[in-house]
Order: sequence, then C-alpha cells, then structure tokens
Amino acid sequence: EDKVVQSPLSLVVHEGDTVTLNCSYEVTNFRSLLWYKQEKKAPTFLFMLTSSGIEKKSGRLSSILDKKELFSILNITATQTGDSAVYLCAVETDSGYALNFGKGTSLLVTP
Amino acid sequence: DTGVSQDPRHKITKRGQNVTFRCDPISEHNRLYWYRQTLGQGPEFLTYFQNEAQLEKSRLLSDRFSAERPKGSFSTLEIQRTEQGDSAMYLCASSPPRGASANEKLFFGSGTQLSVL
Repeated sequence: EDKVVQSPLSLVVHEGDTVTLNCSYEVTNFRSLLWYKQEKKAPTFLFMLTSSGIEKKSGRLSSILDKKELFSILNITATQTGDSAVYLCAVETDSGYALNFGKGTSLLVTP
Repeated sequence: DTGVSQDPRHKITKRGQNVTFRCDPISEHNRLYWYRQTLGQGPEFLTYFQNEAQLEKSRLLSDRFSAERPKGSFSTLEIQRTEQGDSAMYLCASSPPRGASANEKLFFGSGTQLSVL
C-alpha cells in the first residue's frame, strides 16, 4: 500500500523564523512529488519535484527531493503570518490517476 | 471567476437523506477528480473522469456513492442514505489534457462541507 508521511503534524513559530517541513513516501512506480498549501478550503499548488537534488524555489519557499532516501523537504524562510496554513505533500505514481496525500503539516506563524 | 466552482459550499442533512453536489471545472480542462477530506487528514481520492468517461471509480467509499459527468463538462457526486461518517469536505479538482504531468496543473475548488446530523 502506498504511504505518504508528513512531519511534524503541527508547528508554531514566530514571524521571521525558518521552518522545514518533511515528507517521506513509500510508493510503487513513483512519478512525482507535489507540495500544496491549503488555507481555508482549496489546496493551491506550490511545487512539483521529479528529480533528486534539484531545488525548486519560489520567493521564500523552496523544496528538494531525495529519491534514494524517499523524502522531500519544504523550507520557508523569514516566515510571515500569511504563511499560516496546512501544507500538503502528495505523490503521483504511474500506476493510477490519484494523488496520494499525506495528512499535512499545520503551520501557525505568530506575530 | 474562472476557477473550479463547487455548489453548495455547505450542506447540512439528516441521516438517511440523499445529497448531491455539483462541480464546474475550468472550461478547457477535460480531467475531473473528486476527493474527500476529513479533519486532520489529507484529501482522499474518490473518482476520476476524462471527458465524460469515468475511468477510475474503485476508490468510491461504498455503493452509496456515485458520480456522473454526462456531457464531459460539469460533474455531480451523489451520496445516498447518508450516514454520520459521511461528514467531510468534498473537493473537486480539474486539470487540462495530460502533458508532462497532468497533476502539476491540478486546480482544486473550495469544496462542499457536508454535515450529517
């Protein structure tokens, strides 16, 4: 059975801190790993990773994949209160149509 | 608004009643997905359509759940004889024809929050 495990499940930091969110996976026929941000309702796309060691970056957010050790990290530097959200990791495989999501990491950034 | 639209946003129903949710995908997207999300969990895949064809439905939670996309545009998800355990957020997502990765461009709607009393 495919598994996607995120840690920590929740995190509280102060504005300006740097955070690292973790996602490990065990799946058959890995294709890609995706990160989504969920505020209120609809998850919004952040990154898609397919190759090991290549960092994807968007502003203060960055992510990298390790296909040997089967994990990815999402870094957020200089956090702001607007970064408060649930961050979801999902894995796509060649075996089907579904994204397999982890439980998410709930991040709260306090002023 | 040109995003994925879901209706209603909230639905409260009594146990045993039938409910139907609607999803209008982004117009040029031929792929449509339904997911369910409960508190503290990530979205759980339910079913997938490519145009009007339902290509994956084995992950629908029981035979009380069914989905349609009759003309390849909007889709409906129906739950018959609702149970309290059906209370969840039901998310719809759509994506354009498969390229390097259809899921890279997976756009989610804001969901329908179902509460079964």
